[in-house]
Amino acid sequence: GAGVSQSPRYKVAKRGQDVALRCDPISGHVSLFWYQQALGQGPEFLTYFQNEAQLDKSGLPSDRFFAERPEGSVSTLKIQRTQQEDSAVYLCASSLPPHRVHGYTFGSGTRLTVV
Amino acid sequence: AQRVTQPEKLLSVFKGAPVELKCNYSYSGSPELFWYVQYSRQRLQLLLRHISRESIKGFTADLNKGETSFHLKKPFAQEEDSAMYYCALILTGGGNKLTFGTGTQLKVEL
Repeated sequence: GAGVSQSPRYKVAKRGQDVALRCDPISGHVSLFWYQQALGQGPEFLTYFQNEAQLDKSGLPSDRFFAERPEGSVSTLKIQRTQQEDSAVYLCASSLPPHRVHGYTFGSGTRLTVV
Repeated sequence: AQRVTQPEKLLSVFKGAPVELKCNYSYSGSPELFWYVQYSRQRLQLLLRHISRESIKGFTADLNKGETSFHLKKPFAQEEDSAMYYCALILTGGGNKLTFGTGTQLKVEL
């Protein structure tokens, strides 16, 4: 597609519920990133894929967070047993290396509200 | 660890006035610096890259390694410049993640 597509745009979850957030990167972009943006803060890195390989997951805040990209294109971020502190906008970005030249292209994000 | 600091949460200027959005970073190596912008109800988008030495929408940013700064400047602010601006860096020579500052909300008043 022409841009990075994320779904759903909005998600309301009850505390304890599991959620799955989807990201469709730009076709051909080998690199895919997930970020978490809390209200009033800058985006915070969660995890990075190169093709299907998850090369960096150092930003995942707990073992309740899990991301996958099984075929090297679409990615899913799963949050188990959601907590109120998980409420944030989850951003997906894709890129071609070298990233320092191209930067990232971001999706519109999924706004997760845990009630 | 690398860190990006944007000291102003909100910057308010009048139309036609000069704009300077401050960004400082802490990293001992040579990072690549970026400015991203988010207009109201739109997605985060790349404004400019240090490596390209470009001017986009009248904005420029010069990397000052001595002061570890990458301030964003525009000589004459326009109403359409009102947005959230984020400074970010990528480490060279390793790592791929973009580290963001907390952002500065620019408000251009008539």
